Amino acid sequence: QKEVEQDPGPLSVPEGAIVSLNCTYSNSAFQYFMWYRQYSRKGPELLMYTYSSGNKEDGRFTAQVDKSSKYISLFIRDSQPSDSATYLCAMLVWNTGFQKLVFGTGTRLLVSP
Amino acid sequence: EPEVTQTPSHQVTQMGQEVILRCVPISNHLYFYWYRQILGQKVEFLVSFYNNEISEKSEIFDDQFSVERPDGSNFTLKIRSTKLEDSAMYFCASSGGDVGYREANYGYTFGSGTRLTVV
Repeated sequence: QKEVEQDPGPLSVPEGAIVSLNCTYSNSAFQYFMWYRQYSRKGPELLMYTYSSGNKEDGRFTAQVDKSSKYISLFIRDSQPSDSATYLCAMLVWNTGFQKLVFGTGTRLLVSP
Repeated sequence: EPEVTQTPSHQVTQMGQEVILRCVPISNHLYFYWYRQILGQKVEFLVSFYNNEISEKSEIFDDQFSVERPDGSNFTLKIRSTKLEDSAMYFCASSGGDVGYREANYGYTFGSGTRLTVV
């Protein structure tokens, strides 16, 4: 079983739609959960991070973590064409002097005007 | 906003040649990383570097790879004898905070990457 599973898409939605992106994971050692956005030929850009189970909201973005189910989600409200990108979930393992991010494969999102 | 700078943006090299990819992390960060992304695949961890030594490396990071922080600002990845399968985007990242300041540590900032093409 892969450590982090993510549907690669593409996911095509019209402008204004609510988008739901999801990841599942298998490693209970993951402590922090992030969502990154990656435009073509660019580095990943951190969108949101969460530590505990529950919801975290930032503008049009809501990150949700359910540790009991090992399931995380990112919701995008009122999606815009500029949101078209690949969205990567990532899980962080952290110990003194050591950190490692484990990424999902990324979901390609296309928002059409 | 502070950023991680990587040079060159694109490097073409012949198989068997040595390449050095360069990165300037954010100045007050303490943790440095290299990740790579083969075209169409996920971003993969290569190595983390803290307190002037490697703190963790993946199975990918074999003897052909090495990292160095030669001065107070640069962080380099060297591939000694490149193979065709080393062709990928290589991303440098840094994160800040002290060892005990956990809350700052997951604020990774990635560079825009170096696209390495081995021919």
